[in-house]
Amino acid sequence: DTGVSQDPRHKITKRGQNVTFRCDPISEHNRLYWYRQTLGQGPEFLTYFQNEAQLEKSRLLSDRFSAERPKGSFSTLEIQRTEQGDSAMYLCASSLVVSGTEAFFGQGTRLTVV
Amino acid sequence: TQLLEQSPQFLSIQEGENLTVYCNSSSVFSSLQWYRQEPGEGPVLLVTVVTGGEVKKLKRLTFQFGDARKDSSLHITAAQPGDTGLYLCAGAPTGANNLFFGTGTRLTVIP
Repeated sequence: DTGVSQDPRHKITKRGQNVTFRCDPISEHNRLYWYRQTLGQGPEFLTYFQNEAQLEKSRLLSDRFSAERPKGSFSTLEIQRTEQGDSAMYLCASSLVVSGTEAFFGQGTRLTVV
Repeated sequence: TQLLEQSPQFLSIQEGENLTVYCNSSSVFSSLQWYRQEPGEGPVLLVTVVTGGEVKKLKRLTFQFGDARKDSSLHITAAQPGDTGLYLCAGAPTGANNLFFGTGTRLTVIP
């Protein structure tokens, strides 16, 4: 295990379709974060998990977004009824609780809604 | 309102020049991280600063955490084209576990 892995790297979908992204964190990391980044901006926090518990969700996260981390390992982020405004890079990061917020990022999933 | 403000937003310099990027907030942070991000990739962690007044060096990069733990700076000496990228500071306010990112500084080093 060499780092955080995200799948797919790229996704093009039609407006109104549902999409699901997967993140595999660094194996011993118990915290997992999801971020969204649009062109020219810094990443925006969406949600984070400690083990399997979802501890915080951004107010930016609409009801169309849902995230899970069923066994405290990998996580999925689902977007239902996608809109063009959902087009962005979706980033996953993981960290150890003892390391505070020193997080390591995956390469991201680039979503384009057409 | 952005929790962490970075300046400048854009910076274009000649190879060999020095530069400083600033990251400022009105909040106190238990630690701050600096990341570099290249187009189409995720941010890569460069350093974490924890103690107020701390200075860390990574080859030609020098990172400083303000005494009050509200601000940080990144200084690059003799910039190289390979330093080109988006530099992001990030941190969690004291007592929070959520990592907030700065607005970013896009650096271009011209050969």
